[in-house]
Amino acid sequence: GQNIDQPTEMTATEGAIVQINCTYQTSGFNGLFWYQQHAGEAPTFLSYNVLDGLEEKGRFSSFLSRSKGYSYLLLKELQMKDSASYLCAVRDSNYQLIWGAGTKLIIKP
Amino acid sequence: IAGITQAPTSQILAAGRRMTLRCTQDMRHNAMYWYRQDLGLGLRLIHYSNTAGTTGKGEVPDGYSVSRANTDDFPLTLASAVPSQTSVYFCASSDRAGDTGELFFGEGSRLTVL
Repeated sequence: GQNIDQPTEMTATEGAIVQINCTYQTSGFNGLFWYQQHAGEAPTFLSYNVLDGLEEKGRFSSFLSRSKGYSYLLLKELQMKDSASYLCAVRDSNYQLIWGAGTKLIIKP
Repeated sequence: IAGITQAPTSQILAAGRRMTLRCTQDMRHNAMYWYRQDLGLGLRLIHYSNTAGTTGKGEVPDGYSVSRANTDDFPLTLASAVPSQTSVYFCASSDRAGDTGELFFGEGSRLTVL
């Protein structure tokens, strides 16, 4: 079966760095997405990786290793507004997205 | 403002009633999707449409139906609601020919079936 694993919850301190991991087993691979979802709101797109390596976008970076079925989202200089759930999703060979359950990130002052 | 509009934003419904959740997008995206989101679970695909006039079943289609008469609208119907359909429903769209094919989500419809 297809599976996306990510930690259920993480806690970090304002101003620090946090890394959220995602491992996947899917039928084929056509890209990996990270979305941010604040409580009670819709998910919003953060990043997309289709080739191995690091993609950097301001304070957020996302890494992919296709051979290891592994990705991480790195958030630097954490701000209170970064408190949210972070969803990892993989697009499979049928071009459908398989979603992880999300990682709830709690930022403490 | 361009985007996706869902209605209603919230609804309480008696079991056995019929309900249609509406979804409209103005981005001219070819693909549209309906997901449900339940606590502790990832987003689960109910139905999708790759282009106007076509629809397909997702991971959890039972008890739901959709139609795609035109590019902009993609309503989701619960023919006879049951309590297990209590959930938050998100409509999304994507441009499959685009750079990443990322999904754009509506604000969600919170449905409670009693």
